[in-house]
Amino acid sequence: SQTIHQWPATLVQPVGSPLSLECTVEGTSNPNLYWYRQAAGRGLQLLFYSVGIGQISSEVPQNLSASRPQDRQFILSSKKLLLSDSGFYLCAWSVQAGKANYGYTFGSGTRLTVV
Amino acid sequence: GIQVEQSPPDLILQEGANSTLRCNFSDSVNNLQWFHQNPWGQLINLFYIPSGTKQNGRLSATTVATERYSLLYISSSQTTDSGVYFCAVVGRGGSNYKLTFGKGTLLTVNP
Repeated sequence: SQTIHQWPATLVQPVGSPLSLECTVEGTSNPNLYWYRQAAGRGLQLLFYSVGIGQISSEVPQNLSASRPQDRQFILSSKKLLLSDSGFYLCAWSVQAGKANYGYTFGSGTRLTVV
Repeated sequence: GIQVEQSPPDLILQEGANSTLRCNFSDSVNNLQWFHQNPWGQLINLFYIPSGTKQNGRLSATTVATERYSLLYISSSQTTDSGVYFCAVVGRGGSNYKLTFGKGTLLTVNP
């Protein structure tokens, strides 16, 4: 069965420090991969998505970047964190066939606090 | 882009009560999912339901795609049902990848 792993679970980083969050998927090939952020107040915002190795699309201009060095690995990075980067970061995957999208599965999330 | 509205924003129930959560969306969809966010923040997939009716134990969901809404029913609620329930959709127009979330319904079930 397919599983998604995301780490670390919690992270406290000082302003100006770098960031690297990793997400890996098992049990499937060529998944679509996504990074979402949930700020305080419940809303979830799509940050990046990827349909293949090296293919990254950004939804929102920001202090973050994403990379997909391997088929089932998705990394969220920042060179210098801002206070506004604090939030709950969720990785997700989906399999797409034709124009139908058969559902998203989310990882357990990383709670980032920038101090 | 597609808009997703959920109601009510907050709901407080006594254990054993039934409830209905609603999700309205502004355009045709390829995908509609209901999620439960647990106290640790994890999004648990409840239903993949772009149309029709599904049931899973005390939970069921109905999506009427032609009228652009979906309903999530919770029967005989338990305290463990507490949390935020999200409706999320992928619209047919534009990007076929973007899952757009509503703002959620915060459900509190009291013993």
